[in-house]
Amino acid sequence: NAGVMQNPRHLVRRRGQEARLRCSPMKGHSHVYWYRQLPEEGLKFMVYLQKENIIDESGMPKERFSAEFPKEGPSILRIQQVVRGDSAAYFCASSAGWNGYEQYFGPGTRLTVT
Amino acid sequence: AQTVTQSQPEMSVQEAETVTLSCTYDTSESNYYLFWYKQPPSRQMILVIRQEAYKQQNATENRFSVNFQKAAKSFSLKISDSQLGDTAMYFCAFMKHSGGSNYKLTFGKGTLLTVNP
Repeated sequence: NAGVMQNPRHLVRRRGQEARLRCSPMKGHSHVYWYRQLPEEGLKFMVYLQKENIIDESGMPKERFSAEFPKEGPSILRIQQVVRGDSAAYFCASSAGWNGYEQYFGPGTRLTVT
Repeated sequence: AQTVTQSQPEMSVQEAETVTLSCTYDTSESNYYLFWYKQPPSRQMILVIRQEAYKQQNATENRFSVNFQKAAKSFSLKISDSQLGDTAMYFCAFMKHSGGSNYKLTFGKGTLLTVNP
């Protein structure tokens, strides 16, 4: 019973490049959440998606960041023109339904911007 | 807005002993969930225990138990018979329980627990 999958686990990008982070939710889960963990900090909510819908993107930076969860395939968190401050661990979680109190986390993607 | 405060950046305990991690939170909500997550060196986030605010009984999961004081807005985690595998960062987290808002976790900054042999 596969858990939440994230890839890549580690991603290095130069300033100005694009970063694409992928998240495959647990089987049967149609709700996905993205969180960001800056160094020495707790996780911070970024965005909540259901298949083909963005439910809440209140934690997303206004520029350069976007997220999608298509009908088929993984959820994608996209960061355009990365800057050093984007260096962080990005975690995806999924849940089966609207009650998100049972969120299962993936192993995270560590993004390093050089 | 909700805030979660963990006042102990680091703690250590001897193997087989008991340790308590502190967490306080601030909210105007009456219904909510509280969580403790563990993040070992692998960085995987693992749910340790969950407490519903409307339940007066403290949650327990094997060696892990909480002391939930709703009036004081306090939610501490007690780990009994500490094991080396308990070494990890522990995060306290809050989630509203209202209508369609049961999803946004608010985390504290974490407490790094080291279990010494």
